[in-house]
Amino acid sequence: QVHLQQSGPGLVRPSQTLSLTCAISGDSVSSNNASWNWIRQSPSRGLEWLGKTYYRSKWSNDYAVSVKSRITINPDTSKNQFSLQLNSVTPEDTAVYYCVRLNWGQGHVGPWGQGTLVTVSS
Amino acid sequence: DIVMTQSPDSLAVSLGERATINCKSSQSVLYSSNKKNYLAWYQQKPGQPPKLLIYWASTRESGVPDRFSGSGSGTDFTLTISSLQAEDVAVYYCQQYYGNPQTFGQGTKLEIK
Repeated sequence: QVHLQQSGPGLVRPSQTLSLTCAISGDSVSSNNASWNWIRQSPSRGLEWLGKTYYRSKWSNDYAVSVKSRITINPDTSKNQFSLQLNSVTPEDTAVYYCVRLNWGQGHVGPWGQGTLVTVSS
Repeated sequence: DIVMTQSPDSLAVSLGERATINCKSSQSVLYSSNKKNYLAWYQQKPGQPPKLLIYWASTRESGVPDRFSGSGSGTDFTLTISSLQAEDVAVYYCQQYYGNPQTFGQGTKLEIK
């Protein structure tokens, strides 16, 4: 059974960097069948996909256009986890952030991490 | 981007009655190679992450009660709850994961009449 466990601070100052980590158990971040995604949810923007990392003979990333200039998603094979970094945050980045596995070949989306409420405030 | 539009925005149904939620995509999410629709349905209760109910438009996730069913193909999809239970009160979302970026509907709030 696959489980995703999120960690990271719940408060970030404006203009600073939001950093979250998602630890994977029951699967490998290097799996050729999965992509590892970050999605956020806020009252104003709803559910918004931010980006993903995946391994298909080499590592690749895809990012949402809305955050492409500010986002980095990195795998960490030594710890079997992946991370989200979002630079230059503003109060508009206040949201609940989720990590999610997608197995496109099996059509399966999940599991989801437990969610982290990140508030951007001074 | 593929735009997902749900209807209605909110719905009140009596216990034991049928609830139907619709989701329309601005482009087809049917992958021709495997004839699968990359469309998922979720249930979300306050303070919890979305819970996967249906994937591939009509495949029920393990452990999900069989009163939940998904149907449709191409651009038009439906989530049906055949006999509403009190614990089904929640917000329901559709998601397409056919294209980049993945996109979600705005949500449908389901209540008891």
